[in-house]
Amino acid sequence: KAGVTQTPRYLIKTRGQQVTLSCSPISGHRSVSWYQQTPGQGLQFLFEYFSETQRNKGNFPGRFSGRQFSNSRSEMNVSTLELGDSALYLCASSLGWDSSYEQYFGPGTRLTVT
Amino acid sequence: QQQVKQSPQSLIVQKGGIPIINCAYENTAFDYFPWYQQFPGKGPALLIAIRPDVSEKKEGRFTISFNKSAKQFSLHIMDSQPGDSATYFCAASRRGSTLGRLYFGRGTQLTVWP
Repeated sequence: KAGVTQTPRYLIKTRGQQVTLSCSPISGHRSVSWYQQTPGQGLQFLFEYFSETQRNKGNFPGRFSGRQFSNSRSEMNVSTLELGDSALYLCASSLGWDSSYEQYFGPGTRLTVT
Repeated sequence: QQQVKQSPQSLIVQKGGIPIINCAYENTAFDYFPWYQQFPGKGPALLIAIRPDVSEKKEGRFTISFNKSAKQFSLHIMDSQPGDSATYFCAASRRGSTLGRLYFGRGTQLTVWP
């Protein structure tokens, strides 16, 4: 069974631009979570989707948004990019929406904002 | 506020040694405690996980010890190998409105010398 896939793997954007990242969960998984990883802040939770509904959101500004499609694929969007948005963005998928289910991470999208 | 505190930040051991990584939490509602291993350029990979109804869990050379009363848990790597050199993250999650969200420790960079 294929793992979590994320596209693109690398992105370079200019401050003020917007970006869309994509995540395809493991087949059969219906929950997708997004995390931001930086050397300074570590792994921080962005949001979680289950059955196309956002179930939880972390402490990030409204510039960060996401959505989930009927096939469980998810996208996250960052508008008006700032230098501090440079990070590894990780997507994780799981079968269900509670802690009974293990989360599996994709390889991440490395975003660099210049 | 860091929900899960992890130590040490870095750890160097000789091949065959037993590195121990410790984590502590405050929220007694946490009921799932996974450990992730991350290599450079990769996403975190689920290593082993434990629930608070058991005090120890072993999978191969990896063991989690869990002390519910002290609200601490630790990862032991038996007979460590150079290939174990990676960053290790502990995490915790809880049932309720934040279903699916993982709270991560800041990570431990492990180096195993041959």
